[in-house]
Amino acid sequence: DAGVTQSPTHLIKTRGQQVTLRCSPKSGHDTVSWYQQALGQGPQFIFQYYEEEERQRGNFPDRFSGHQFPNYSSELNVNALLLGDSALYLCASSPHGQPDTYGYTFGSGTRLTVV
Amino acid sequence: GESVGLHLPTLSVQEGDNSIINCAYSNSASDYFIWYKQESGKGPQFIIDIRSNMDKRQGQRVTVLLNKTVKHLSLQIAATQPGDSAVYFCAEIGNQFYFGTGTSLTVIP
Repeated sequence: DAGVTQSPTHLIKTRGQQVTLRCSPKSGHDTVSWYQQALGQGPQFIFQYYEEEERQRGNFPDRFSGHQFPNYSSELNVNALLLGDSALYLCASSPHGQPDTYGYTFGSGTRLTVV
Repeated sequence: GESVGLHLPTLSVQEGDNSIINCAYSNSASDYFIWYKQESGKGPQFIIDIRSNMDKRQGQRVTVLLNKTVKHLSLQIAATQPGDSAVYFCAEIGNQFYFGTGTSLTVIP
């Protein structure tokens, strides 16, 4: 049973560009959350998607947007990249209606470097 | 807003010794806490959780202690092994997860 898969694993972008990161949730999970983890820091919540809608959002600017597809997979888009957007972007999936920690599963992340 | 912080950014222990990792939280209304382990190149992995109606919970080689009076969590790892080397985060669960900065644990063989 595949867990949470994220692609790509690594990415280098130039300041000002746009980027799209992808996440496939664990089988049976319908809720996807995105986190930004700067080097040496804990993950920071970006937003959560359920039923193809953004349900919750952390303290991130509108440059960060997302999408969820009918098959529950999700994309994170970041526009007008800044050097400070360089981080590990983590996706976590869960069954809806519970932060069931035993089901709340993280992917290995996408390492984004902005130059 | 909530803030979750760790007392020590790094910790080195000898193999076989016990490890204690500490965490402070600020939201007294939080009722659910989790410890995660993150190895290099991987996402956070669930270790153990505790609810606010408990003050101690034990797992396999790990124990979490919760002191609500001083808003403090600790993770105890018994007989620390080289495979325990990782960054450990506490997370405070409200309507979303709030992670602390993390403590890097190094086990010396």
